[in-house]
Amino acid sequence: KQEVTQIPAALSVPEGENLVLNCSFTDSAIYNLQWFRQDPGKGLTSLLLIQSSQREQTSGRLNASLDKSSGRSTLYIAASQPGDSATYLCASAASGSRLTFGEGTQLTVNP
Amino acid sequence: ETGVTQTPRHLVMGMTNKKSLKCEQHLGHNAMYWYKQSAKKPLELMFVYNFKEQTENNSVPSRFSPECPNSSHLFLHLHTLQPEDSALYLCASSQDPSGGAVGELFFGEGSRLTVL
Repeated sequence: KQEVTQIPAALSVPEGENLVLNCSFTDSAIYNLQWFRQDPGKGLTSLLLIQSSQREQTSGRLNASLDKSSGRSTLYIAASQPGDSATYLCASAASGSRLTFGEGTQLTVNP
Repeated sequence: ETGVTQTPRHLVMGMTNKKSLKCEQHLGHNAMYWYKQSAKKPLELMFVYNFKEQTENNSVPSRFSPECPNSSHLFLHLHTLQPEDSALYLCASSQDPSGGAVGELFFGEGSRLTVL
């Protein structure tokens, strides 16, 4: 059964800093991996989707990488802003099964 | 309306009540999902429907009863719930390719349920 772990559980940084969020998964036979953002009391917003054949995806200040052999993905946020404060979740879909979610990293960007 | 919409956004019910959560997706997707999000726990997949047919039920208690009348609408009927069922219930949809693969997931804003 796929297990997804996110480290750290919480992160606080000053505005403008570049940061990396980590996600690891146990079953490397994944179909895809998604990164989501969740604001308090709200639903999840899809940020980036990486297919198993891809190494990375970029959207604006966000860059997500995927290394299936090591079972890891990272989400890089450049020039962080207070509006980036939220919980970030990663989820992977192993072949033949649905998305398994990590517990998330709660990010606070201080002005 | 665009994306995935859920109603109501907030619901308070007693343990003997019967209520329903509604989800509608405007994305033309072929799969819809119910997830449960409790404090300090990862999202838990409850039910999956593909083309109106239930394809997964992750050992969810029978007091939760899903209904999918068509590919755009999904309901979760609630009956004799327990206080530990209080959580954020999230609906999602995806366009899944054939062969069992999973497409990109799009979520609604969720329904915050409180059981007294």
